[in-house]
Amino acid sequence: DVKVTQSSRYLVKRTGEKVFLECVQDMDHENMFWYRQDPGLGLRLIYFSYDVKMKEKGDIPEGYSVSREKKERFSLILESASTNQTSMYLCASSPLSGTQYFGPGTRLLVL
Amino acid sequence: QQPVQSPQAVILREGEDAVINCSSSKALYSVHWYRQKHGEAPVFLMILLKGGEQKGHEKISASFNEKKQQSSLYLTASQLSYSGTYFCGTERGGYQKVTFGTGTKLQVIP
Repeated sequence: DVKVTQSSRYLVKRTGEKVFLECVQDMDHENMFWYRQDPGLGLRLIYFSYDVKMKEKGDIPEGYSVSREKKERFSLILESASTNQTSMYLCASSPLSGTQYFGPGTRLLVL
Repeated sequence: QQPVQSPQAVILREGEDAVINCSSSKALYSVHWYRQKHGEAPVFLMILLKGGEQKGHEKISASFNEKKQQSSLYLTASQLSYSGTYFCGTERGGYQKVTFGTGTKLQVIP
């Protein structure tokens, strides 16, 4: 079974802190994605990566950056957390063409 | 731009049928359908590719009208386990960059 794991299920941070969300997949997938999920807004793509060290902006990249140093790991970075970044963050991975497999999500609260 | 899903929510009794629609203003390469149960991650249902046939699995099937940039998900003889939020995702081409809709919350009651 494909497994996508995220470093934390719940996270509480203060405004202005630098926040790292980690995602690891074990299926050697080329593509990895970061989404945020908010009520009524669905899943919105923040960034995605189609290869190591390669990244592309999604639909809402402002306030975020990403890092992919190894194929299995994709990190989302909030440079200076703000309260409007309180959300559920979902990571996903996929082969070059096919299903996206989602991690369990990290619920982030920024105070 | 996010695809538009309709309806936003629907309540069914067990055994009833439902249709969820997804439309885009842009030409599409493929449409993806996922279901998310409460407190869980989204789970893949099916992908429909441009030029492909209608897909189905047991009592859940879907169609893709390329000319109209629309897809529909058909749930037949619904079961309690079908409850959840259904998302369509549209892909315009390349690297599986999928843009998801806002979701349709479906509740099946006894």
